[in-house]
Amino acid sequence: GAVVSQHPSWVICKSGTSVKIECRSLDFQATTMFWYRQFPKQSLMLMATSNEGSKATYEQGVEKDKFLINHASLTLSTLTVTSAHPEDSSFYICSATLGVRGTSGYNEQFFGPGTRLTVL
Amino acid sequence: GESVGLHLPTLSVQEGDNSIINCAYSNSASDYFIWYKQESGKGPQFIIDIRSNMDKRQGQRVTVLLNKTVKHLSLQIAATQPGDSAVYFCAETYTGFQKLVFGTGTRLLVSP
Repeated sequence: GAVVSQHPSWVICKSGTSVKIECRSLDFQATTMFWYRQFPKQSLMLMATSNEGSKATYEQGVEKDKFLINHASLTLSTLTVTSAHPEDSSFYICSATLGVRGTSGYNEQFFGPGTRLTVL
Repeated sequence: GESVGLHLPTLSVQEGDNSIINCAYSNSASDYFIWYKQESGKGPQFIIDIRSNMDKRQGQRVTVLLNKTVKHLSLQIAATQPGDSAVYFCAETYTGFQKLVFGTGTRLLVSP
């Protein structure tokens, strides 16, 4: 259970185009989804927190007009990289939470497999 | 605070050895910690967690130790196998805070 998928797994696009990445919770309803970015040999950096039916909350330094997040349903969040440039090339990872604290007292995040974006 | 690594420290071990991966966390208010394993081109995979009211927690072949005094976390892997080769991240958070803050990560290389 608690499987999260991402589509596509990789994408190559030309500079200036927009790319949409989907994050789906396959067997549970996710009240909250997170989007992370990971550059080569670096850690995961949180970009934004997305709650179903409301606007995403972006981390400091992340441009909300460039990285559009839509969380239209309890099983789907999308990240659109608008007017992508080579510096946006990265590994984008989403995670989803059930919204119910487990025995740890923490809302466990279930991670997707990631999407490799390469902007030429 | 958040950690941004410019490179990944690497730990190289022989198959069968015990591995110890260390992590210094940043927020003294953090009360929940998780270790993740990330294989190349994949998302993080949960390994083991620990709450701040514990010093040690054991799983299958893995043990996490927490030293709150010096804000240090370690992951011990017993009888390391080639399949353990990956990047390992610690992550911290605190009660009521949904976000995870990831450490810089350590690459574990296991030689047969």
